[in-house]
Amino acid sequence: EAQVTQNPRYLITVTGKKLTVTCSQNMNHEYMSWYRQDPGLGLRQIYYSMNVEVTDKGDVPEGYKVSRKEKRNFPLILESPSPNQTSLYFCASSFGYTGELFFGEGSRLTVL
Amino acid sequence: DAKTTQPPSMDCAEGRAANLPCNHSTISGNEYVYWYRQIHSQGPQYIIHGLKNNETNEMASLIITEDRKSSTLILPHATLRDTAVYYCIVRVLGADSWGKLQFGAGTQVVVTP
Repeated sequence: EAQVTQNPRYLITVTGKKLTVTCSQNMNHEYMSWYRQDPGLGLRQIYYSMNVEVTDKGDVPEGYKVSRKEKRNFPLILESPSPNQTSLYFCASSFGYTGELFFGEGSRLTVL
Repeated sequence: DAKTTQPPSMDCAEGRAANLPCNHSTISGNEYVYWYRQIHSQGPQYIIHGLKNNETNEMASLIITEDRKSSTLILPHATLRDTAVYYCIVRVLGADSWGKLQFGAGTQVVVTP
């Protein structure tokens, strides 16, 4: 089954404790992207990757890192999480430029 | 800022057609219009996309005006399961920025019995 898998789905952590949210897709998509969703603000893009070893900033990259060492994986790294990074996070992937985006089920992160 | 403008909410009666407008007055000539929807806090789901011509699939129809400055998503026979937030987006162009995507706040559609 074609899917985008995120882990963990739910996480409560404390300020400053490094964490990684994994994202994996099994559709051989070139393009992958991370979004955060906060009440009243819709979906905001954090980082995106157009292919292996190619990443770029979205609209809200501060406080986040990403890497794309393999085509299927695109982890989101929070080196020193802060409470303002409490949010619902989505990973998505697609073929190239015009492909439809496939979204993961979301990861709800709470930073205390 | 998001490049699309949508009404914040709209209601629709079950079984009737739902027409969701989207304004994208600054769209470039080869930017595509995409529609997605999000039910509760699930991952958004692709509905349809188009460039110039009207498009139809099993979920919806997309009508793009001739000047491409606006579009309408049509759900032909709305059901309660169509209650969701609907997002209209355009793929941002540019040699180094085609991967950027900007979602606005979307339209909250409530289908009532």
